[in-house]
Amino acid sequence: GQSLEQPSEVTAVEGAIVQINCTYQTSGFYGLSWYQQHDGGAPTFLSYNALDGLEETGRFSSFLSRSDSYGYLLLQELQMKDSASYFCAVRDNGNRDDKIIFGKGTRLHILP
Amino acid sequence: GAGVSQSPSNKVTEKGKDVELRCDPISGHTALYWYRQSLGQGLEFLIYFQGNSAPDKSGLPSDRFSAERTGGSVSTLTIQRTQQEDSAVYLCASRHLGQDTDTQYFGPGTRLTVL
Repeated sequence: GQSLEQPSEVTAVEGAIVQINCTYQTSGFYGLSWYQQHDGGAPTFLSYNALDGLEETGRFSSFLSRSDSYGYLLLQELQMKDSASYFCAVRDNGNRDDKIIFGKGTRLHILP
Repeated sequence: GAGVSQSPSNKVTEKGKDVELRCDPISGHTALYWYRQSLGQGLEFLIYFQGNSAPDKSGLPSDRFSAERTGGSVSTLTIQRTQQEDSAVYLCASRHLGQDTDTQYFGPGTRLTVL
């Protein structure tokens, strides 16, 4: 079946670095995405990895290892506004389907 | 429009009534997705439309749920004989196929409360 696993909660201190891991199991694989969702808001796209390696976008970086079916989101210089839920998502292109499946999300708590 | 829009933003209904939720995707986006999100939970895939292909309905939780997409644009999600467990935020997202990333653009959602 299709599944994505990520920690339910992570706590870090303002100014620090935090890593949110995601492992996936799908019938097909095209790429791994990350989304941020603040309370009461809609998910917004953060980053995408189709190939192995690290993609950097400002304070946020995302990593993918296709052989390990694993990726992570790295947030640096944490700010209070980064308190949100973070979802990994996979486009599963197996069985003709092209749907995008989300993990259950990681709630990031930031302490001052 | 500039983004994905959904209506209504909030819907309160009584158990057993039917509801219709509307999604207006970004113009030109051929892929449209519906998700359901219960309080504090992840996004549960419901249904996916891609162009003129038959929709992927594999995520619909029961036959009380149905969706259509007219003219390849606006989509309506219908829930018949609503139950209290249907209470959730229903999110719609659209995507432009052929782009380098899998970026989905989400609407603000419809918060459904079944009394």
